[in-house]
Amino acid sequence: DGGITQSPKYLFRKEGQNVTLSCEQNLNHDAMYWYRQDPGQGLRLIYYSQIVNDFQKGDIAEGYSVSREKKESFPLTVTSAQKNPTAFYLCASSGAGGQPQHFGDGTRLSIL
Amino acid sequence: DQQVKQNSPSLSVQEGRISILNCDYTNSMFDYFLWYKKYPAEGPTFLISISSIKDKNEDGRFTVFLNKSAKHLSLHIVPSQPGDSAVYFCAASNTNAGKSTFGDGTTLTVKP
Repeated sequence: DGGITQSPKYLFRKEGQNVTLSCEQNLNHDAMYWYRQDPGQGLRLIYYSQIVNDFQKGDIAEGYSVSREKKESFPLTVTSAQKNPTAFYLCASSGAGGQPQHFGDGTRLSIL
Repeated sequence: DQQVKQNSPSLSVQEGRISILNCDYTNSMFDYFLWYKKYPAEGPTFLISISSIKDKNEDGRFTVFLNKSAKHLSLHIVPSQPGDSAVYFCAASNTNAGKSTFGDGTTLTVKP
């Protein structure tokens, strides 16, 4: 079954720690995206990648980092520089040219 | 400056009636528009899209209308069903840029 998998579903972070959220897709999509959703708000773009070994900052990239070493994988690291990391994080993938995105089921990150 | 706006946070309709969800955008470079549906604790799923060269696209009970001069699009659901109760996100993109901008969503409740 083709799809996009995010893990873990829930993640807890201590103050000052970096954490990495996993995102894997087997849809053979070129583009991948990371979004953040806060309560009552829409999806805000953190980073996106249109091809392997290349990525661009979105609207709220500060305090986050990504890598795109493989077509299938686009991990997101929430660094200690992100002062308000508690949120629901969604990963998506799509074909080229702004085609409809397929989303994972998200990771909810909380601060201990 | 929010480029995609969904001004109604919530909408309630009776089963069998029409649901109309609205979306406004400000960026004239957007040429592709999408609607996504989201249930709690899940990622959004693609519902329907429309290119800027069209003014209407229909798929079963769902129709999207685009008014480019007004920079406005709407999603019509007829007839509405209780299973349609979800958060609906409007998104807009420029196919050359390869990324989408999302609105804040409208929560639709369809009452039996």
